[in-house]
Amino acid sequence: QVQLEQSGAEVKKPGASVRVSCKDSGYIFSGYYLYWVRQAPGQGLEWMGWINPNSGGTNYAQKFQGRVTLTRDTSISTAYMELSSLRSDDTAVYFCAAGVGAPPDSWGQGTLVTVSS
Amino acid sequence: EIVLTQSPATLSVSPGERVTLSCRASQTISSNLAWYQQKPGQAPRFLIHAASTRATGIPARFSGSGSGTEFSLTISSLQSEDFAVYYCQHYNNWPSITFGQGTRLEIK
Repeated sequence: QVQLEQSGAEVKKPGASVRVSCKDSGYIFSGYYLYWVRQAPGQGLEWMGWINPNSGGTNYAQKFQGRVTLTRDTSISTAYMELSSLRSDDTAVYFCAAGVGAPPDSWGQGTLVTVSS
Repeated sequence: EIVLTQSPATLSVSPGERVTLSCRASQTISSNLAWYQQKPGQAPRFLIHAASTRATGIPARFSGSGSGTEFSLTISSLQSEDFAVYYCQHYNNWPSITFGQGTRLEIK
């Protein structure tokens, strides 16, 4: 069973970048896709992109093109989401979620990113 | 871009009642629809995929139906633990996925 463990909460200043990690128990690097979804306070779910941990291939939502980068380190079964040029409206909980194709069926616990001056 | 519209935004119901949540797509998405449940402070929980197939471990009181543009999630007899926000999501345009805005199920 896929188990995803995300890194801890972050506080960043506007204009900075943040990197959130998502460590897998060992399954997602064998045929899964790893999605990133965010949720602003009191709001709904917003898809940001995905990475194929096996090949490194990525796909980004148009809204985040040029500002988000998804990577992975296969040696430690960990995927990363980096978001740059942070703004106050990037304050959100960021989730990683895995699935064999779509839809994603296993979710990490979420990472709160707060952007504040 | 295909938009998912969920209705109603909030639904107040009593435990034991049967409830149906709606999700409408702006264009046909075949059966490429999933449902999730989310409780405060928690990650979404995967309930249903392919519009009507329950995920592993999901109780039989949850059922999904529909195809094309009209979909629904029915909970046959509400339990206290079912009060949450429910999201539909389509993956018809995979590799992109899109969520609906959610329906909040609250205790009457």
